[in-house]
Amino acid sequence: SQELEQSPQSLIVQEGKNLTINCTSSKTLYGLYWYKQKYGEGLIFLMMLQKGGEEKSHEKITAKLDEKKQQSSLHITASQPSHAGIYLCGALNNNAGNMLTFGGGTRLMVKP
Amino acid sequence: NAGVTQTPKFQVLKTGQSMTLQCAQDMNHEYMSWYRQDPGMGLRLIHYSVGAGITDQGEVPNGYNVSRSTTEDFPLRLLSAAPSQTSVYFCASSYRYLSSGANVLTFGAGSRLTVL
Repeated sequence: SQELEQSPQSLIVQEGKNLTINCTSSKTLYGLYWYKQKYGEGLIFLMMLQKGGEEKSHEKITAKLDEKKQQSSLHITASQPSHAGIYLCGALNNNAGNMLTFGGGTRLMVKP
Repeated sequence: NAGVTQTPKFQVLKTGQSMTLQCAQDMNHEYMSWYRQDPGMGLRLIHYSVGAGITDQGEVPNGYNVSRSTTEDFPLRLLSAAPSQTSVYFCASSYRYLSSGANVLTFGAGSRLTVL
């Protein structure tokens, strides 16, 4: 089965700093989703990547899917306290009706 | 438009008790699923359904039952709760073709379950 490993597991940054979260898959990725979760809440969809080399941005968050399609990165520029939360990557699981398999998550704290 | 609604938000059970977590969506989504979230382990798929009357097992189905009698509802049943089932449970739904890019998995707010 496909496994997703996220790094780092947790991250504390000073407001205004840039940061990167990585998601590495044990198999080729055919659809990679990034979600954000605030404490005590559900998951909010950020971006979805399908093609190798694809890059998408939303406000100060950029996600990329590498050419070999086994790794994705999420980059936040000039972090703000509102970026704090848990970031999860998810990949389509062809063995489970195209549901998503998730990585372990990265907990981000942004110090004002 | 309520999206995905989960009830209850919090529940405390004793070992051996049974309960049902409710999930309802009003978006006419074909696909529905249940995940559990444990610290450091992300979300793990418990059961899923690709349409009314059809259910299947995910990664961690033991100890849980589901049914899908209508498109809107997908309840998760714990027949005999165990401390290992202490977790946060999320219900999610989507249209059939998740890979379209324009379609995403929509999550409920979660149900926090503690089994003593």
